[in-house]
Order: sequence, then structure tokens, then C-alpha cells
Amino acid sequence: KAGVTQTPRYLIKTRGQQVTLSCSPISGHRSVSWYQQTPGQGLQFLFEYFSETQRNKGNFPGRFSGRQFSNSRSEMNVSTLELGDSALYLCASSKPSLDNEQFFGPGTRLTVL
Amino acid sequence: GESVGLHLPTLSVQEGDNSIINCAYSNSASDYFIWYKQESGKGPQFIIDIRSNMDKRQGQRVTVLLNKTVKHLSLQIAATQPGDSAVYFCAENMGLTGGGNKLTFGTGTQLKVEL
Repeated sequence: KAGVTQTPRYLIKTRGQQVTLSCSPISGHRSVSWYQQTPGQGLQFLFEYFSETQRNKGNFPGRFSGRQFSNSRSEMNVSTLELGDSALYLCASSKPSLDNEQFFGPGTRLTVL
Repeated sequence: GESVGLHLPTLSVQEGDNSIINCAYSNSASDYFIWYKQESGKGPQFIIDIRSNMDKRQGQRVTVLLNKTVKHLSLQIAATQPGDSAVYFCAENMGLTGGGNKLTFGTGTQLKVEL
């Protein structure tokens, strides 16, 4: 069974640009969550999508947005990039279950210059 | 504010010894906790979880203990192996009461296994 896949794995952008990251969940998983990981702030929750609707949201500015498609694949977008957006962006998927165990992808390493 | 925090940033143990990684949380309403392991260059990997109606749960070589009185969580790894070297995070799922997932992670503990 294939795991969570994220593309691209590495990305370099400049300040002011925008970026779109993609996440394909494990087959059968309908929930997709996004997290930002930095050395200074650690792992922080961005948002969660379930059945194409945002179900939970973290405390990030509106420059960070996401969406989910009918096949459960998800994208997140960051507009007007800032240096501080440099981070590892992780996607996690889970199936509808009581335990909500989440499976993480390898992440996309974004560097903003 | 509400937070999940770890006591030690780095833990060094000898191969074969038992490891104990600690975590404190501040939200007394929390009811679901998870431990993750993250190796370099990889995403976090689920190790074990526990609900607030339990105080202990065991897996293969791992045990999680929950003390709700002092809001403390620990992960015990038996017979630590070199492959256990990684950063360990405790996390609290804040989204369950409203449905869904919203993990709040601790700062992480680097476990180093010495041969």
C-alpha cells in the first residue's frame, strides 16, 4: 500500500512569489492535514481538509491556504512568500476512524531566498 | 496558552538500556495523545497513542504512561537499539472534540543511542 506522497520534495523560491505544494493521501483516506516544521517553532498545524471542506484551522495568516479535491488529494498555497516561510511542509492523511491515526508524508522542503 | 512541552531536548542512552522520554501538557481537557518518531529526512512516524480514559498502553517494546493528575505523559522504550535514534514528539489531538485532526506537538527530544 503506497504511503502519503508529496510533491515536489524540494523547492526554492524568492520573496514575494507564491508556491503550491501537493499531497496525495493513502488510498481510502479522506482527511488530509498540513503542518509546518521549522527549527524555531517546531511542528505547527496549518489546516485539515475532509471531504473537500476545511474542518480545522491553525493560527497562520491568510497567505496560507489549501484545498482538497474529490479524490482526496490536497494542495496548499502560500502567497507573497516571506523568508520566514522557509520550512519543511508536512502532509498527513487519516481514514475516518475513532483513533484518527495520521500517516505523514516525507514533506516538501521550501527555501525562500 | 495551551501547550504540549518536553522536558529534555537530548537524551543519550546505551544500547540495550531502557529509554524514558517525558512530556508535559497543559490542557486538562485533552483526551487523546500520540507519540511520533521522526528520523532525519523523513516525516513523523506514529509509534503509539493513548486516550485519557487509560493510564497505560503497551506496544512492541514501547509503553506510554499517562498521569492526568499532573498532566504528564511518558514514552518508555525497552532495550533501546541504534535504530531508535531519532527525534521523538508527543502530540495532542485538539480536533477530536469538534471532529477531525488538529495535532499540537511538543518541542521534541533527540534520542541518541550509544553503542
